[in-house]
Amino acid sequence: DTAVSQTPKYLVTQMGNDKSIKCEQNLGHDTMYWYKQDSKKFLKIMFSYNNKELIINETVPNRFSPKSPDKAHLNLHINSLELGDSAVYFCASSQGGSAYNEQFFGPGTRLTVL
Amino acid sequence: AQRVTQPEKLLSVFKGAPVELKCNYSYSGSPELFWYVQYSRQRLQLLLRHISRESIKGFTADLNKGETSFHLKKPFAQEEDSAMYYCALSGGYQKVTFGTGTKLQVIP
Repeated sequence: DTAVSQTPKYLVTQMGNDKSIKCEQNLGHDTMYWYKQDSKKFLKIMFSYNNKELIINETVPNRFSPKSPDKAHLNLHINSLELGDSAVYFCASSQGGSAYNEQFFGPGTRLTVL
Repeated sequence: AQRVTQPEKLLSVFKGAPVELKCNYSYSGSPELFWYVQYSRQRLQLLLRHISRESIKGFTADLNKGETSFHLKKPFAQEEDSAMYYCALSGGYQKVTFGTGTKLQVIP
């Protein structure tokens, strides 16, 4: 009964390809996030969705497009992958619109762009 | 703008020694501060938050607004405390800023 799940766990692909990472939460939360963790373990928010609406978009290139078909899912599609996109991507969810609430994280997706 | 600084990338202590993981923040309003932890091969999870004023696994953190700090402390380190620790700040609607993380290594 995993709370926040991501697929795939590992993703290795060539530069220029388009790929997607899926995230699902079964906690009944209404807010979901995508974070990027770089090679130095720096964790930075990319997007936040509340009730399927985009709330935060942190100067992420247009090649990254999140999609939330419903409150339980937030997928991340990346076009024209670049070497610098290699990182671990974490999905998270929380309840309520306040960022004071605890965030629950997925296991991460390690993306390697060759 | 909100910013979180964790000056130490790696902190090594012996088992039984006191631990202090430093966190300083920059925010113009009233922030809410958190500590998240990532144990080996596990997902990132909340350790404690300022608003709860709780002690979790022997860890405490006090918000010092004068020094804009939220250091994480534990009087006696245990081997199972070895992990990556992230300080985080929430200053507004759904935006949480994480520090760069400190790896705590407890030496047996």
